[in-house]
Amino acid sequence: EAGVAQSPRYKIIEKRQSVAFWCNPISGHATLYWYQQILGQGPKLLIQFQNNGVVDDSQLPKDRFSAERLKGVDSTLKIQPAKLEDSAVYLCASSLAAGVGTDTQYFGPGTRLTVL
Amino acid sequence: TQLLEQSPQFLSIQEGENLTVYCNSSSVFSSLQWYRQEPGEGPVLLVTVVTGGEVKKLKRLTFQFGDARKDSSLHITAAQPGDTGLYLCAGVGTSYGKLTFGQGTILTVHP
Repeated sequence: EAGVAQSPRYKIIEKRQSVAFWCNPISGHATLYWYQQILGQGPKLLIQFQNNGVVDDSQLPKDRFSAERLKGVDSTLKIQPAKLEDSAVYLCASSLAAGVGTDTQYFGPGTRLTVL
Repeated sequence: TQLLEQSPQFLSIQEGENLTVYCNSSSVFSSLQWYRQEPGEGPVLLVTVVTGGEVKKLKRLTFQFGDARKDSSLHITAAQPGDTGLYLCAGVGTSYGKLTFGQGTILTVHP
């Protein structure tokens, strides 16, 4: 079974530029998550989709971050404009169902973003 | 806001030693998960503990969930270099299974 795919793996941009990350979840998984992991910290949930609807975006900086999940499959996370503090690894994860406490989230390898 | 504190943040030991990582919160979670993350990869789920007082064993790893479901521990017996990595605990909330991660423990096991 193919895992969660993310691209690109690495991205270097200058502050105030825009960047987009792409995620393809495991086939059949209804729920998709985007996390931000700053060096030395655990992942922080940015946004959670169930199918193509948002169920939690309380920690998404909406003035510069946006995300969409078209047709309930692939997802794109965008930052516009980027700030130095956005340097982090952006992880995508998917799970079969949402609202099930013991549901397993499967993580992709992440995109490492460096903002200069 | 629910917070999870892990300790220690860094652990450097010799092969064959035992170790324990702690995960503490002031909040109650519906369940708690432990993950292991290697450089350049995403976290991989090791175990989910659900019931207060629950103990689960995975080969040389023993996971315990506190009676009040606010804290947990991970104990590794006879650590091996292959155990090296970042260990993360994550509390599972009641809202859509939202995960709140601790800051992680970086474990290095020297041969």
